Amino acid sequence: EAQVTQNPRYLITVTGKKLTVTCSQNMNHEYMSWYRQDPGLGLRQIYYSMNVEVTDKGDVPEGYKVSRKEKRNFPLILESPSPNQTSLYFCASSLRQGQGAKAKNIQYFGAGTRLSVL
Amino acid sequence: AQKITQTQPGMFVQEKEAVTLDCTYDTSDPSYGLFWYKQPSSGEMIFLIYQGSYDQQNATEGRYSLNFQKARKSANLVISASQLGDSAMYFCAMRERSVDGGATNKLIFGTGTLLAVQP
Repeated sequence: EAQVTQNPRYLITVTGKKLTVTCSQNMNHEYMSWYRQDPGLGLRQIYYSMNVEVTDKGDVPEGYKVSRKEKRNFPLILESPSPNQTSLYFCASSLRQGQGAKAKNIQYFGAGTRLSVL
Repeated sequence: AQKITQTQPGMFVQEKEAVTLDCTYDTSDPSYGLFWYKQPSSGEMIFLIYQGSYDQQNATEGRYSLNFQKARKSANLVISASQLGDSAMYFCAMRERSVDGGATNKLIFGTGTLLAVQP
């Protein structure tokens, strides 16, 4: 089954304790992205990756790191979490834009990770 | 700057009736894509429907259709014959292009509309 898998689904941690949220996709997608969702703000992009070893900042990258060593995996790292990073996080993947005529490049989302930083 | 606006924070609809969720967008890029996603209370984001800026016809996917009015920059989602399972948050999103014209695949999201289907 084609899917984007995030782990963990729920996480409660304390300020300053490093954590990693994993994301894996089995669709051979080049493009992967992390978003955070906060009430009244919709989803905002944190980081994205166009391919292996190619990553770039989104709109709200402060306090986050990512890596793309393999095509299928795109972990999100919080080196020193703070309470303002309490949020619902989504990983998403799609084909890279421009592949195929009128390619839709639909982004498929993981189930989400609900993070609370105390 | 590119922007998506959803002006309806919440809506009610009777089961089996049709409902329209509004979405307006702002972009100067002639090539863009518009998406609708559904987020049920369980939290996952489910892709519903896509409309490309150059598509001549309005997109349809089962009970979902997109009323695309390019001149008005609106992309409203129409759900026909509402079901109880349609109760969820609905997000409109637009795929952005980078300032140099290259691909980013980045999605700009609206703030969402919470739909409640009443029996």
